[in-house]
Amino acid sequence: SQTIHQWPATLVQPVGSPLSLECTVEGTSNPNLYWYRQAAGRGLQLLFYSVGIGQISSEVPQNLSASRPQDRQFILSSKKLLLSDSGFYLCAWSVWLAYYNEQFFGPGTRLTVL
Amino acid sequence: DQQVKQNSPSLSVQEGRISILNCDYTNSMFDYFLWYKKYPAEGPTFLISISSIKDKNEDGRFTVFLNKSAKHLSLHIVPSQPGDSAVYFCAASGYALNFGKGTSLLVTP
Repeated sequence: SQTIHQWPATLVQPVGSPLSLECTVEGTSNPNLYWYRQAAGRGLQLLFYSVGIGQISSEVPQNLSASRPQDRQFILSSKKLLLSDSGFYLCAWSVWLAYYNEQFFGPGTRLTVL
Repeated sequence: DQQVKQNSPSLSVQEGRISILNCDYTNSMFDYFLWYKKYPAEGPTFLISISSIKDKNEDGRFTVFLNKSAKHLSLHIVPSQPGDSAVYFCAASGYALNFGKGTSLLVTP
């Protein structure tokens, strides 16, 4: 069966510090991968998606970046965090080329920027 | 621009009664819709979906209705249980999922 892991579960970082959140998927090959953010009182906002190694599409301009160094690994990064980067970050995967884009979510990372 | 809208941020229902959560979308090209349930500090979990070729899909206590002409779908939970208390997200499938902002459901004993 497929599983998706995210770490860390919670993170408190000062403004201006770097960020690295990691997501890995097991039990499937060549998944589509996604990073979402849920800010306080807001819905789920798509940040990045990837259909393959090294292929990243960005949905919103921001000071975050994403990378996919391996097939089942997706990393969300920032060189300098802003207060507005606080939120709940979710990684998700879906079956590559599936007509219906059902996505499966990881447990999330709660990021607080102080 | 929000293509999927959930206009009720919260809903309170008594245990045993019906919960109805609503969702509207603007893009007529969407052809597959999903509902996710989310507990605090956890990732959303898939609940039920519907293809645009159908107008109803049932799974146990959960039924989703789709009205394509009105670009509206709804999730019915019957009977509602306290464990159903969570945030429910409606999503429409494109190359990624377009999520609404969610409706927080509280089922009271």
